[in-house]
Amino acid sequence: DAKTTQPNSMESNEEEPVHLPCNHSTISGTDYIHWYRQLPSQGPEYVIHGLTSNVNNRMASLAIAEDRKSSTLILHRATLRDAAVYYCILSSSGTYKYIFGTGTRLKVLA
Amino acid sequence: GAVVSQHPSRVICKSGTSVKIECRSLDFQATTMFWYRQFPKQSLMLMATSNEGSKATYEQGVEKDKFLINHASLTLSTLTVTSAHPEDSSFYICSARDEGGTRSSYNSPLHFGNGTRLTVT
Repeated sequence: DAKTTQPNSMESNEEEPVHLPCNHSTISGTDYIHWYRQLPSQGPEYVIHGLTSNVNNRMASLAIAEDRKSSTLILHRATLRDAAVYYCILSSSGTYKYIFGTGTRLKVLA
Repeated sequence: GAVVSQHPSRVICKSGTSVKIECRSLDFQATTMFWYRQFPKQSLMLMATSNEGSKATYEQGVEKDKFLINHASLTLSTLTVTSAHPEDSSFYICSARDEGGTRSSYNSPLHFGNGTRLTVT
């Protein structure tokens, strides 16, 4: 399974944009990039996913590098409710399961 | 949107007893569901893939006789922790993918339940 690497933790001020990086240098051509976040004592929540092109939805934007070996989740205006652990995961056409890495713990400062 | 319901949300049991956790997809069908375990301050660890109408596929190192999985219908999978011990205390989370529609299944988002906090005393 292709692996992802994320910083253990990041901090952001409230109302400011946050860029959460993810490296996936062993990604294959058909692997999708998914982002989930997990609040304390809850199951993970879907944020966004993409293949090659940048993606936007009401929660966030996903910027994918041209060589696809890295991606960045962008929260345009961080709020206190965005404090969570963010996971970057690859899904492969060869398997339907998700393997979670260590994720990035985002702390939002008021 | 698609919802996965997990029950119970919290359970305390005595050592040596068995505990059953249910995972239901409320508004979609899922031939495959996934069970994860999460210890405090750690990431989710995939335990097994639950397959409707057939045996579950367990990840390496997970005891299939201890963690019994039954996927009896397209909307229900159960995980039974047999002869539970304190080291089995953990946060158990299930997930499922909405396999309907024309989009390829593997890139469809997974929907997660809210987890079950198991404490074995």
